[in-house]
Amino acid sequence: AAGVIQSPRHLIKEKRETATLKCYPIPRHDTVYWYQQGPGQDPQFLISFYEKMQSDKGSIPDRFSAQQFSDYHSELNMSSLELGDSALYFCASNSGTSYNEQFFGPGTRLTVL
Amino acid sequence: GENVEQHPSTLSVQEGDSAVIKCTYSDSASNYFPWYKQELGKRPQLIIDIRSNVGEKKDQRIAVTLNKTAKHFSLHITETQPEDSAVYFCAASHNNDMRFGAGTRLTVKP
Repeated sequence: AAGVIQSPRHLIKEKRETATLKCYPIPRHDTVYWYQQGPGQDPQFLISFYEKMQSDKGSIPDRFSAQQFSDYHSELNMSSLELGDSALYFCASNSGTSYNEQFFGPGTRLTVL
Repeated sequence: GENVEQHPSTLSVQEGDSAVIKCTYSDSASNYFPWYKQELGKRPQLIIDIRSNVGEKKDQRIAVTLNKTAKHFSLHITETQPEDSAVYFCAASHNNDMRFGAGTRLTVKP
């Protein structure tokens, strides 16, 4: 079965650079979630989209923005990168109704040097 | 917003013993409680979930209990095996707004 796809899987950036992470949800899933997981930490919810509209906002820094496109894929744009942004970034998707499992992608490991 | 607390942060058991991880949540509107297993550098994998209209659910060696009044839910793993070693996260969700606990690192000693 098709799973959530994230690209790139690994990304190395310098401080103050920008990065764009991409997420392709499972087909027919209309809701996408972004999480940031630092070393030894739990996944922290950043932002979510339902039917191409932002549905919820968590601890996303102002330097980050995201959107969901007409084909339901989503992109997380990160600017003015800081060392502390180094983390695993997970995207998850589901069909947007309550009681639904969120299916996680493999994650993008971002390293900021 | 929702606040999920998870205990213990680390748990070491002997192979074959049981392991119990406990979580509490703050938002009484939360209605979906998944448990995830995460191996180092990998994605969280759902192992079991429970909805607010159910008090207990079991899947082979794994069971979850939910006490809505106390806003408390627990994961029980019986007959633990070395491959159960991982970090386990509880989560609480209301309308897909999901928050994780801090995680429990479970080590099963052969």
